[in-house]
Amino acid sequence: NAGVTQTPKFQVLKTGQSMTLQCAQDMNHNSMYWYRQDPGMGLRLIYYSASEGTTDKGEVPNGYNVSRLNKREFSLRLESAAPSQTSVYFCASRGVAYEQYFGPGTRLTVT
Amino acid sequence: GQQLNQSPQSMFIQEGEDVSMNCTSSSIFNTWLWYKQDPGEGPVLLIALYKAGELTSNGRLTAQFGITRKDSFLNISASIPSDVGIYFCAGHSLSGYSTLTFGKGTMLLVSP
Repeated sequence: NAGVTQTPKFQVLKTGQSMTLQCAQDMNHNSMYWYRQDPGMGLRLIYYSASEGTTDKGEVPNGYNVSRLNKREFSLRLESAAPSQTSVYFCASRGVAYEQYFGPGTRLTVT
Repeated sequence: GQQLNQSPQSMFIQEGEDVSMNCTSSSIFNTWLWYKQDPGEGPVLLIALYKAGELTSNGRLTAQFGITRKDSFLNISASIPSDVGIYFCAGHSLSGYSTLTFGKGTMLLVSP
């Protein structure tokens, strides 16, 4: 099992450009999450999907949209990237007892 | 919203020393989790705790679910250089629905 996979690993965008971060899990988990990690801020929840067909806002949703494409895949879209969105983005999925399993991350720089 | 206070923020120790870190909250949690993040990688689950008072080990790591359900502790014995990384606590409360609350992490540096 690959667990949680994310693409791309690195990305550089110019202000105003758009992009989609992809995430997939092969553990048959119902719930999936997107976080951003900034120095000194810890992990902050952007959006989550408790089950296929549902999505909910987290702590910092502004500037982002998500799509739960199917049970395996949960994508994060930046419609018009801003320098404040420079961060490391992690996708996670939830096991049976609230534990979450993380992907390797996407390192995004917006210039 | 809920917050977890994780301490210390960072530690610099000698190889072979024991390490302790903890997380505290003003709210009750029904699950405590401890993660480690290596540089450039995603967090990896180390230990999961589900009952107040529970003590669980994973090799040289031992974690405890506090009896008040408002705190948790992680101990690392006989540290080695590969223990370097950031250690996060996370908690789940029933009011948190499907989400976790994370501490801000303890950065551990180990000198050979």
